[in-house]
Amino acid sequence: LAKTTQPISMDSYEGQEVNITCSHNNIATNDYITWYQQFPSQGPRFIIQGYKTKVTNEVASLFIPADRKSSTLSLPRVSLSDTAVYYCLVGHRDDKIIFGKGTRLHILP
Amino acid sequence: DSGVTQTPKHLITATGQRVTLRCSPRSGDLSVYWYQQSLDQGLQFLIQYYNGEERAKGNILERFSAQQFPDLHSELNLSSLELGDSALYFCASRDSSTDTQYFGPGTRLTVL
Repeated sequence: LAKTTQPISMDSYEGQEVNITCSHNNIATNDYITWYQQFPSQGPRFIIQGYKTKVTNEVASLFIPADRKSSTLSLPRVSLSDTAVYYCLVGHRDDKIIFGKGTRLHILP
Repeated sequence: DSGVTQTPKHLITATGQRVTLRCSPRSGDLSVYWYQQSLDQGLQFLIQYYNGEERAKGNILERFSAQQFPDLHSELNLSSLELGDSALYFCASRDSSTDTQYFGPGTRLTVL
């Protein structure tokens, strides 16, 4: 399993774009990159998944450089309700899913 | 709503007791994962089942056990409970076509 490193915490303001970067130097060829969001006392919620280049959905964008050793989750125009913990996971099917400590994102008014 | 259900939502019990947590995966998902999350801690992977068989094991204590039944629901049994077992226990099922996990609302266990 590829180990991931992401900032422990980040602060931003409402209306700003937030970028959270995750390092995964040992990513394997068939590994996907997946991000989850977790609010207090709730289960994590899938945000976005990608393999390479850029993926965008209605919630976020995921940027993956050519070497795939890192990835950046981009949240456009955040609001107070985006305050949560964000987890970056790297792996492929049949891997046991290991969550790190995640990034605590705090959005300020 | 993720489609994963967990019961009960809350459980309060005493040290030394045994409890059973139940999880029903999303329709069509064969994999079930169990996680433990203590206060302000990350998610600790406990165990995974796939179509009734144990597939992977994490940091699951010997006092804990789990199983997945033919109808694919799963139960996590916690015995000889200790104060430190107080935590949120999450179940997740995996969509094999997208490799995405869907989490249930969790069971909050309080051991007094």
